[in-house]
Amino acid sequence: DAGVIQSPRHEVTEMGQEVTLRCKPISGHNSLFWYRQTMMRGLELLIYFNNNVPIDDSGMPEDRFSAKMPNASFSTLKIQPSEPRDSAVYFCASSLEGIQYFGAGTRLSVL
Amino acid sequence: AQRVTQPEKLLSVFKGAPVELKCNYSYSGSPELFWYVQYSRQRLQLLLRHISRESIKGFTADLNKGETSFHLKKPFAQEEDSAMYYCALTGTASKLTFGTGTRLQVTL
Repeated sequence: DAGVIQSPRHEVTEMGQEVTLRCKPISGHNSLFWYRQTMMRGLELLIYFNNNVPIDDSGMPEDRFSAKMPNASFSTLKIQPSEPRDSAVYFCASSLEGIQYFGAGTRLSVL
Repeated sequence: AQRVTQPEKLLSVFKGAPVELKCNYSYSGSPELFWYVQYSRQRLQLLLRHISRESIKGFTADLNKGETSFHLKKPFAQEEDSAMYYCALTGTASKLTFGTGTRLQVTL
């Protein structure tokens, strides 16, 4: 298994543009998590899904952020419009039996 | 509410010296505690969980409910231990709450 797959690995965009981050969880895992990592705030949980259903989105910073999980093998995190303060590394993780497995992350730079 | 505190942003030790990375938590129920590690240019990965009571790469961590702590220890640090270490907690829900992380730097 290739593990959790995230794309793109790096994204550079201009303020105001829409950004879509993608995640493919490990097959058979029923929970999926999106995190944001910054120097100032560390790892923050944005949202998580159980069986494709959003359970807790209290960490989503603003209405500009949205996440979907249309099926068990795919999720997206969208930022529209993006702002420079959204620059961070975004991680996706999937879990089985309480252990989370992380993707390599997407490094987002908003200029 | 669940909360994890890692008081040290950076811990620098010499090779061969003992290591203790501190972690304190706040949770009203019975939590499950984890240590995750992120080596340079690698993804975050599980190091150990308290219910396993294992020693991984020489690291151990004991859950102390009285002190609400889950400190990570290793008797002799190695260069390859240099990494970012995150303590994390999960309660009744699936979500993990992470501490802010401690960067361990092992020098010669």
